[in-house]
Amino acid sequence: DIQMTQSPSSVSASVGDTVTITCRASQVIDNWLAWYQQKPGRAPNFLIYAASSLRSGVPSRFSGSGSGTDFTLTITNLQPEDFATYYCQQAHSFPITFGQGTRLEIK
Amino acid sequence: QVTLKESGPVLVKPTETLTLTCVVSGFSLANPKFGVSWFRQPPGKALEWLAHIFSTDEKSYSASLKTRLSISKDTSKRQVVLSMTNMDPVDTGTYFCARGAPYHDTAGWRWFDPWGQGTLVTVSS
Repeated sequence: DIQMTQSPSSVSASVGDTVTITCRASQVIDNWLAWYQQKPGRAPNFLIYAASSLRSGVPSRFSGSGSGTDFTLTITNLQPEDFATYYCQQAHSFPITFGQGTRLEIK
Repeated sequence: QVTLKESGPVLVKPTETLTLTCVVSGFSLANPKFGVSWFRQPPGKALEWLAHIFSTDEKSYSASLKTRLSISKDTSKRQVVLSMTNMDPVDTGTYFCARGAPYHDTAGWRWFDPWGQGTLVTVSS
């Protein structure tokens, strides 16, 4: 199985800040990576696919980058609705695997 | 509008079999662009993928749970069913179904959008 490791596990930030979350795969996955946002008690919300492509309707303050084994999710100009947990997911091969999540909290 | 909705028992006893149903609308389970996966999330923990079914009826399972899982679909009823045998308290969590999204790749299994609301299953005697 491909292991996905996110860092940090949690981060505190203020409205207006920029935050970067990293995700590392245990083997090369090219750009087969997705990012999801999840709020408490809710289903995951699909944000980014193919490492850097924004799903339609996702605000442009979200961006993704990376290829191979190292990926980042960057959120600029944090808004109150962005405080949530973020997961990366490798889409290279079955079994599909997720990172352990990064909790973004309000400072 | 594409929606998925999970249903099933709220409480199951250890050793029992869990059967969950995902009813989909807004797309066809016969469309090769769309597969459906099941996921679960223990309270306060990360997401875990369980199984996927393609339009062709081909299936893929989590290796660690493969002996306990079965996924099937009924295209005419717009349903995807997941069964998990020999339930244990560690299987407690919210179970989600989600549609494979054909962005960038039309295979319909790499990323998932949208997701159902989830259904909480507690395993306890």
